[in-house]
Amino acid sequence: AQSVTQPDIHITVSEGASLELRCNYSYGATPYLFWYVQSPGQGLQLLLKYFSGDTLVQGIKGFEAEFKRSQSSFNLRKPSVHWSDAAEYFCAVDDYKLSFGAGTTVTVRA
Amino acid sequence: EAGVTQFPSHSVIEKGQTVTLRCDPISGHDNLYWYRRVMGKEIKFLLHFVKESKQDESGMPNNRFLAERTGGTYSTLKVQPAELEDSGVYFCASSHWKTGSTGELFFGEGSRLTVL
Repeated sequence: AQSVTQPDIHITVSEGASLELRCNYSYGATPYLFWYVQSPGQGLQLLLKYFSGDTLVQGIKGFEAEFKRSQSSFNLRKPSVHWSDAAEYFCAVDDYKLSFGAGTTVTVRA
Repeated sequence: EAGVTQFPSHSVIEKGQTVTLRCDPISGHDNLYWYRRVMGKEIKFLLHFVKESKQDESGMPNNRFLAERTGGTYSTLKVQPAELEDSGVYFCASSHWKTGSTGELFFGEGSRLTVL
């Protein structure tokens, strides 16, 4: 069965610093991959998705993710973090229903 | 355009009682999903409606959970009788994709259920 692993439960980053969140997937075929974000008091919002094609995917809020088949990874990056990026981030793989990772909580310090 | 709305936002009930959660998807979205996140765990799929039909209910934990989608519009998820392990946040999501991949799901803010 498909699965997603997010190795980091919690990351603290300084405002203005770069951010990288790790995601590894287990899936036999070409996966459809997603990153969602949940800000406090909000529902989950789609940041970006990968279906096929270019392995570097641009998303909203200045985020990007790179699909690496050889490493079974789909890491999320942002070059410069803003305080409003403090949230919980979920990687997900799609097999007609989303399978989510456990989530990574990002704390942004001033 | 209104997003996915869920009601109530938080419900506290005693073990053995019944709770009904409601989800109003985005208008025109045929696909409606229920997910659940138990404290500290992953967000888990419960079931998927296409219009009023249950497409996949493989994630429903047991027969204490009953989901309906009246006329292909709003959906309810009833837990009867509730147990302590049912506590968590129940998310509803909808999408307009017709076939294949889930595509982009639009999530509600979730209904937090606390069973005492």
